[in-house]
Amino acid sequence: KAGVTQTPRYLIKTRGQQVTLSCSPISGHRSVSWYQQTPGQGLQFLFEYFSETQRNKGNFPGRFSGRQFSNSRSEMNVSTLELGDSALYLCASSLVGLNTGELFFGEGSRLTVL
Amino acid sequence: QKEVEQDPGPLSVPEGAIVSLNCTYSNSAFQYFMWYRQYSRKGPELLMYTYSSGNKEDGRFTAQVDKSSKYISLFIRDSQPSDSATYLCAMSLYNTDKLIFGTGTRLQVFP
Repeated sequence: KAGVTQTPRYLIKTRGQQVTLSCSPISGHRSVSWYQQTPGQGLQFLFEYFSETQRNKGNFPGRFSGRQFSNSRSEMNVSTLELGDSALYLCASSLVGLNTGELFFGEGSRLTVL
Repeated sequence: QKEVEQDPGPLSVPEGAIVSLNCTYSNSAFQYFMWYRQYSRKGPELLMYTYSSGNKEDGRFTAQVDKSSKYISLFIRDSQPSDSATYLCAMSLYNTDKLIFGTGTRLQVFP
């Protein structure tokens, strides 16, 4: 069965622009989480969506937002990009988001902000 | 101070060696503990998952949790070059996909 699909895989933006990243979870999975990975901070939790509702949120500024659609696909948006937003953005999906150990990650979207 | 501390390495070992990877944490409320492996340019994949103190074994991998010391370990026996990757510990407070990760330890197993 297909894994978690993230698009685009690579993108370059300039400061002040905005970006939208997309995530298609594994078929049947209803929970989608987003993480930011940087060399200095490692993986940091951004937010989690379940049945189109944000269920958990990390400590990121309001420039970071997300949503989930009825088919469980999810998007995250970063507005007014800063240099420090350069990172690998990872999406993960699970059946119901209860940390049963079945959390599957995509390969990520690598964002470079110039 | 970070909630989860992990030595970044890199750790370089010969094929066949026993590898020990460790994380310490500060929040005694963490209940669920995981180890993920991440190959270059790939997303993390789950290796081990446990929610209690003690040992859990899966093939060449053993996860150990010591809640009294707030310390978790992953042991890899008979290490192979294909084990060369970054190993991330992760933990959570309760049943949620909101995980707190260590920064990862880079492991290199040379033939």
